[in-house]
Amino acid sequence: GQQLNQSPQSMFIQEGEDVSMNCTSSSIFNTWLWYKQEPGEGPVLLIALYKAGELTSNGRLTAQFGITRKDSFLNISASIPSDVGIYFCAGQPNSGNTPLVFGKGTRLSVIA
Amino acid sequence: EPEVTQTPSHQVTQMGQEVILRCVPISNHLYFYWYRQILGQKVEFLVSFYNNEISEKSEIFDDQFSVERPDGSNFTLKIRSTKLEDSAMYFCASRDNGYGYTFGSGTRLTVV
Repeated sequence: GQQLNQSPQSMFIQEGEDVSMNCTSSSIFNTWLWYKQEPGEGPVLLIALYKAGELTSNGRLTAQFGITRKDSFLNISASIPSDVGIYFCAGQPNSGNTPLVFGKGTRLSVIA
Repeated sequence: EPEVTQTPSHQVTQMGQEVILRCVPISNHLYFYWYRQILGQKVEFLVSFYNNEISEKSEIFDDQFSVERPDGSNFTLKIRSTKLEDSAMYFCASRDNGYGYTFGSGTRLTVV
């Protein structure tokens, strides 16, 4: 099946630093989504991207849908302690009811 | 903010027993999903459900699994004879015609 390669696997950063993580695939995706998961909770949608080249922000978060439709990145600026969690990229290969494919996640730790 | 509600939050069961995990999707959503997440791993697709029938299922979703929408609000996942390797977080998700999946907080299933 289609797979998403997400990196880095984990990050330890100082509060206030910027963070960047990305997902790549050998296949084309029509939609890219970025989720955050906190312990004991389900994934919460952060940003959804629907068009190749699209750059979208949500507060301190910025994500882009790669031109080739095979990659996406998520940036977090000026990190704060509550940014701690696991960030997942997810892609929808086709339109319609095709289920999401998830990356393996990036575990973010923020040191105050 | 509309929510997807899952019960129970944690279930412990003996190997070989049947379990039913329950979900109440967002009321005007049309597509329903079950995903699972083995501890420390990525979120994996199990099954999607639309128009009162399964629209897609993964290879994980074998004959031990079944889904039902017994009334207008509930969406259930049944595992007939649980195995140790079924221990995981199970997430229900729903969406409308767009791409905005909303996930529940999950049911942690522990098979002993």
